[in-house]
Amino acid sequence: DTAVSQTPKYLVTQMGNDKSIKCEQNLGHDTMYWYKQDSKKFLKIMFSYNNKELIINETVPNRFSPKSPDKAHLNLHINSLELGDSAVYFCASSQGQGRDEQYFGPGTRLTVT
Amino acid sequence: AQSVTQLGSHVSVSEGALVLLRCNYSSSVPPYLFWYVQYPNQGLQLLLKYTTGATLVKGINGFEAEFKKSETSFHLTKPSAHMSDAAEYFCAVKGGGSYIPTFGRGTSLIVHP
Repeated sequence: DTAVSQTPKYLVTQMGNDKSIKCEQNLGHDTMYWYKQDSKKFLKIMFSYNNKELIINETVPNRFSPKSPDKAHLNLHINSLELGDSAVYFCASSQGQGRDEQYFGPGTRLTVT
Repeated sequence: AQSVTQLGSHVSVSEGALVLLRCNYSSSVPPYLFWYVQYPNQGLQLLLKYTTGATLVKGINGFEAEFKKSETSFHLTKPSAHMSDAAEYFCAVKGGGSYIPTFGRGTSLIVHP
């Protein structure tokens, strides 16, 4: 069983379009995250939810909107896609705060043309 | 506030040689420290972590790391590199009550035959 899954794996779209990435975890964790990894492998936290409540919302354009329908799911919707949005997006989860490690999904490679 | 510095964006070793990947951190509270590995086209996975107790931590695939408070370091080592160790390695630090780790910029390990 995949612990943290994301769909789709690859997403190619044109500038201006709206797209969503879905994430599900079956670990029973309370906290979920979205990260953006750029071409130089730098990981940037975008959002974090704990028990469906937003706890971290870093400086991210408001074209990005997370949605957590329940504790096991955290989806990412992106409006009006731009070239600079091209990156790999990772979903992750953890049991909570402090000493708990994160479990990452396989990533979604977004290419905006 | 917390930060992580990984010395060397690329480290190159021969198969069978010692692997040493450096990580220095700063944290205003006692830290929890993590090493993650990212294989090509995959998500990050935990190699090992330090929370409390023994300062020498053993992880998967023969890796280990030592927490040295006086040097604010958490370097990752492996006695003998294998071709399959070629990957991107990330060091991360979390403060005690934090949900969000701070990641280093990553070190790419290259293993030559």
